[in-house]
Amino acid sequence: QVTLRESGPALVKPTQTLTLTCTFSGFSLSTSAMCVSWIRQPPGKALEWLALIDWDDDKWYTTSLKTRLTISKDTSKNQVVLTMTNMDPVDTATYYCARYNTLETWAFDYWGQGTLVTVSS
Amino acid sequence: DIQMTQSPSSLSASVGDRVTITCRASQTINTYLNWYHQKPGKAPKLLIYAASSLQSGVPSRFRGSGSGTDFTLTITSLQPEDFATYYCQQSYTYPRTFGQGTKVEIK
Repeated sequence: QVTLRESGPALVKPTQTLTLTCTFSGFSLSTSAMCVSWIRQPPGKALEWLALIDWDDDKWYTTSLKTRLTISKDTSKNQVVLTMTNMDPVDTATYYCARYNTLETWAFDYWGQGTLVTVSS
Repeated sequence: DIQMTQSPSSLSASVGDRVTITCRASQTINTYLNWYHQKPGKAPKLLIYAASSLQSGVPSRFRGSGSGTDFTLTITSLQPEDFATYYCQQSYTYPRTFGQGTKVEIK
């Protein structure tokens, strides 16, 4: 059974750095074709893809936030970490992590429940 | 970046109706197109991958079609649990991108 769970602060101040952790089970990021991605959704708005890391430690980022994002993995802990620097109120959103499967679907086939991050002083 | 444009942005329909949602890519993406739906307060759920393949466990009333730049999601007989927001997403290239969503509401 594949599960993912996001964790991190619910509230951050403007200019601070956000660190989110995705802890997963039911698959391994050392297995070929497995990837984990971060996606966010501001309140009442659409989904926005942020970043992805694959089994081979290759990383991709959304164009508009590339300079502020870093994604990394700890395969032994089954965790993926996303950091976002210089947080702003417009970054207030629910942040999801999701498994991305390049073996079967080339889609986000399992998602975490999401964690709401509010940026406010 | 590839832009994904969905239409309509919202629609009202009744239980039992046939519903069609369109997604257009700003450049060709072959069949690297996925569909999700999302209910309020919940995470998105994968419905269709590779334009027309039904994800395991998803009811057969959901059908996807298209290739190149134009894609369609059809719900053949709308059920009460299908009232949600639907998103398309391309997996052809990075960065991955989503459409802006189509909200399906009860008429």
